[in-house]
Amino acid sequence: KAGVTQTPRYLIKTRGQQVTLSCSPISGHRSVSWYQQTPGQGLQFLFEYFSETQRNKGNFPGRFSGRQFSNSRSEMNVSTLELGDSALYLCASSLVGSASGANVLTFGAGSRLTVL
Amino acid sequence: AQSVTQLDSQVPVFEEAPVELRCNYSSSVSVYLFWYVQYPNQGLQLLLKYLSGSTLVKSINGFEAEFNKSQTSFHLRKPSVHISDTAEYFCAVSVITGANNLFFGTGTRLTVIP
Repeated sequence: KAGVTQTPRYLIKTRGQQVTLSCSPISGHRSVSWYQQTPGQGLQFLFEYFSETQRNKGNFPGRFSGRQFSNSRSEMNVSTLELGDSALYLCASSLVGSASGANVLTFGAGSRLTVL
Repeated sequence: AQSVTQLDSQVPVFEEAPVELRCNYSSSVSVYLFWYVQYPNQGLQLLLKYLSGSTLVKSINGFEAEFNKSQTSFHLRKPSVHISDTAEYFCAVSVITGANNLFFGTGTRLTVIP
């Protein structure tokens, strides 16, 4: 079956703009998590969505937001982009949400955002 | 809070030699432990996991890791590496009640030298 699909794979934006990234989870997976990967900060958890509800949130400013649709697809949005937002944004899906015990996350290939 | 320390940022090793990538974690509650591998321009792939039971876990491609609760470690080992093992390896933990929020180490870049 198809894996986790993220679009776009690469994009370039300028400071002050906003960006929306999309994630299609594995069919049947209801939980979607987002992570930011940068050389300086490494991999950091952004948020998790399950059944269209945000279940967990990392320590990121309010400029970072997300949502999940009824088909489990998720989008994340970053407003008022800053240079430091340049990163690889990874989406991961799992069968169930975080309250249901150990879940294996399957990651997508990521969306690489460059902010100029 | 949870944290993960990967003691080596880069590990060069000759082909067919053994390798150990070290991982230590800190947590006041019980955790699950994971190793993920990332190849260039790709996402993360699960290599192996410890959830419960036997403290020695193995992957299909020859890697193994042992959970040591007293030393709070989850070191990754392979007895004989191949060129194709060149990648970045990340150790991660999650608390049992928040399993979809992974805390990652800073990664170890394994370079296999022919």
